[in-house]
Amino acid sequence: ELKVEQNPLFLSMQEGKNYTIYCNYSTTSDRLYWYRQDPGKSLESLFVLLSNGAVKQEGRLMASLDTKARLSTLHITAAVHDLSATYFCAVEDYGGSQGNLIFGKGTKLSVKP
Amino acid sequence: DAGITQSPRHKVTETGTPVTLRCHQTENHRYMYWYRQDPGHGLRLIHYSYGVKDTDKGEVSDGYSVSRSKTEDFLLTLESATSSQTSVYFCAIRARGGGLLMGYGYTFGSGTRLTVV
Repeated sequence: ELKVEQNPLFLSMQEGKNYTIYCNYSTTSDRLYWYRQDPGKSLESLFVLLSNGAVKQEGRLMASLDTKARLSTLHITAAVHDLSATYFCAVEDYGGSQGNLIFGKGTKLSVKP
Repeated sequence: DAGITQSPRHKVTETGTPVTLRCHQTENHRYMYWYRQDPGHGLRLIHYSYGVKDTDKGEVSDGYSVSRSKTEDFLLTLESATSSQTSVYFCAIRARGGGLLMGYGYTFGSGTRLTVV
């Protein structure tokens, strides 16, 4: 059974600082997704990582995937208040099924001035 | 946007009553999913569908049933609602991106906030 662990679950940052959110998963998969969710809203797709060593960047966010270590990271550079949200990683699971996403519990990020 | 509409957006219902949530898509995607979101749990899969009349259970399927009689609609039914089913329910579709290496992308609807009293 595929399990996905994110840490930290809560993150309070000051503007301008850097930090990394970690996403570990328990069984083999080569497709990992990062989503952002604002309060009361749906999930917005940030990154799709499809192979070992994949790195994608968008603005102050950069995501990477190491399938051998079963680890993805979401790095935040010089945080700004607008990045405050909950971030989820999700791993695509094909074990015995047609495929679906298994989510981590999310990291609630708060960026303070 | 992948053209996903969930209805209703909000619902309050009484314990023991049946409730049906609807997910409608406009782009003929084969795969559709129902997730629930609860504080401290992230999103958990309830049921999914891989075609008309083809459905399967997810991690938290007890107390829920689904139907898909046509490609565009995926219905989630709570046969007899309980307070533990108070949650936010999200529908999702899985779409193939461009090219062999793009893989699949999952797009989520706006959600239905269900309260069982």
